[in-house]
Amino acid sequence: GQQVMQIPQYQHVQEGEDFTTYCNSSTTLSNIQWYKQRPGGHPVFLIQLVKSGEVKKQKRLTFQFGEAKKNSSLHITATQTTDVGTYFCAGRNFGNEKLTFGTGTRLTIIP
Amino acid sequence: GAGVSQSPSNKVTEKGKDVELRCDPISGHTALYWYRQSLGQGLEFLIYFQGNSAPDKSGLPSDRFSAERTGGSVSTLTIQRTQQEDSAVYLCASSLGVITDTQYFGPGTRLTVL
Repeated sequence: GQQVMQIPQYQHVQEGEDFTTYCNSSTTLSNIQWYKQRPGGHPVFLIQLVKSGEVKKQKRLTFQFGEAKKNSSLHITATQTTDVGTYFCAGRNFGNEKLTFGTGTRLTIIP
Repeated sequence: GAGVSQSPSNKVTEKGKDVELRCDPISGHTALYWYRQSLGQGLEFLIYFQGNSAPDKSGLPSDRFSAERTGGSVSTLTIQRTQQEDSAVYLCASSLGVITDTQYFGPGTRLTVL
């Protein structure tokens, strides 16, 4: 079955440093979504990528979808304490409605 | 507008008892999903509904788990003869459609089996 892995599992950064999480699927994806889960909260949708090689930006966040549509990344520039949480990617295969969530990357910020 | 709601927010039960978890999706959302999240872990897909039918039940861990959805709205996840390993947060999400739509998550039900 489809597997979606994320690295790293944990990341501790000083406030102001950059942060990147990588998502890799065992199969080619039709689209990929990113979610953020604050400590004690529930996942909240951030963005969706559909096209091969697509890059989208939201303020300090940059999302990329690989050319082969099997990997993706989320990069945060100049982290802030509000960025704390676990970031999940979630991918869909063609013709399959199920969204498979990645293992998540937990980001903690050192003030 | 109202988001996805789940009840109860917390449930403590004894091993062997049955529990029912409820999810009220956003009005008009045709797709509904159940996930399980153990402490510090990722989201484990359980089942999803398109309308009242469940095309994919592949994630249900055992036959002790079942789910239904009535009227294309409220869904109930039932766990029979609960075991300690069932302890987790059970998250429900809904989306307008299925293939490319955003999933909106509820706050979850934290289940503790003693």
